[in-house]
Amino acid sequence: GAGVSQTPSNKVTEKGKYVELRCDPISGHTALYWYRQSLGQGPEFLIYFQGTGAADDSGLPNDRFFAVRPEGSVSTLKIQRTERGDSAVYLCASSRDRSGANVLTFGAGSRLTVL
Amino acid sequence: AQSVAQPEDQVNVAEGNPLTVKCTYSVSGNPYLFWYVQYPNRGLQFLLKYITGDNLVKGSYGFEAEFNKSQTSFHLKKPSALVSDSALYFCAVRDGGLNNNDMRFGAGTRLTVKP
Repeated sequence: GAGVSQTPSNKVTEKGKYVELRCDPISGHTALYWYRQSLGQGPEFLIYFQGTGAADDSGLPNDRFFAVRPEGSVSTLKIQRTERGDSAVYLCASSRDRSGANVLTFGAGSRLTVL
Repeated sequence: AQSVAQPEDQVNVAEGNPLTVKCTYSVSGNPYLFWYVQYPNRGLQFLLKYITGDNLVKGSYGFEAEFNKSQTSFHLKKPSALVSDSALYFCAVRDGGLNNNDMRFGAGTRLTVKP
């Protein structure tokens, strides 16, 4: 597509529920990133995919968070047993390849609110 | 690990005046530096980057930034501010000497341009 698409744009859930957030990157972009942005903070790195594999998942806060990219395009961020502290805007970005000089193109984000 | 500091939470300028948004960084290898802008309810948009070469880089919407290795800074500047420049600005850094894609962001600076 023309840009990075994220769905849903807003998600309200109850503590303890399971949540999935979807990212559709720019067509042909092999690198895909997930970030989390809390109120008043900059984006915090979560995980990076190169193709289908998670090249770096060092930013995932704990084992309740998991992400997949089975066909090297769309990615899903999965959060189990949600907690109120998980409330944030989850940002997805993609870039042409793994070069560190490449610019990241961001989606509009998925705002997660855990009640 | 690489890191970025944006020492000002808020910058206020009058329309037509020059603006500066400050950023300092810390990396062990060569810095790859980026500026992004975020408008309300929108994703982050790329403004400009420094990878190598001329220390003064020019980007979108009349913005420029100067890489200063001795001061480890990458301040964002614009000669004449517009009201429409009011937004949240993020500086980001990658370590060009590492084989990863971890882009670290600062906490952001809110720029307000008053008519």
